[in-house]
Amino acid sequence: EADIYQTPRYLVIGTGKKITLECSQTMGHDKMYWYQQDPGMELHLIHYSYGVNSTEKGDLSSESTVSRIRTEHFPLTLESARPSHTSQYLCASSAPGDRALSNTQYFGPGTRLTVL
Amino acid sequence: KNQVEQSPQSLIILEGKNCTLQCNYTVSPFSNLRWYKQDTGRGPVSLTIMTFSENTKSNGRYTATLDADTKQSSLHITASQLSDSASYICVVSDRGSTLGRLYFGRGTQLTVWP
Repeated sequence: EADIYQTPRYLVIGTGKKITLECSQTMGHDKMYWYQQDPGMELHLIHYSYGVNSTEKGDLSSESTVSRIRTEHFPLTLESARPSHTSQYLCASSAPGDRALSNTQYFGPGTRLTVL
Repeated sequence: KNQVEQSPQSLIILEGKNCTLQCNYTVSPFSNLRWYKQDTGRGPVSLTIMTFSENTKSNGRYTATLDADTKQSSLHITASQLSDSASYICVVSDRGSTLGRLYFGRGTQLTVWP
């Protein structure tokens, strides 16, 4: 089992609240990712990072932001949550290597976010 | 457009039976193909990975095949167990850029009944 953790596992909040989803890994991986997944749908990449102080937007436009101040930590923040942000958020990491994203990714358990 | 299509969308089988899940892709240029297992409420876990030159890969009761010419892959599960109930996701990566992007299918939801 991969050593990648996400908190909280479940979150129900009201519209307009600021939230931060935490993701941490203890494998020393340099690349980390955030995906959004709706029921029965494919994962969509919303953010990724090649390493400390490196963050990029993914394929799916997202109002969230990320930061990578430490190798092991990759938090995702929503400044003002809306019902359209209701989804499952999955964090992943992959081992050091070239800059390609295609290395095997190890996923955390996910955070299920519900915005009322 | 790079796409990954999986079938069936859902499948119910009895414990002990075999089943085969399908994946068709249009991702080009192809780099590798992975099958992931995602239990309900959990993150995906990698089962197998195959590159262009590999046409079969096994992991216990899971056997994946790849036909790079027809751009098709299958995942065969032998002697199914209740714990096999999960979503199985086909993931294809390209080598058309330095990013080597991943393209995810929507998954096949497998339910194994006792």
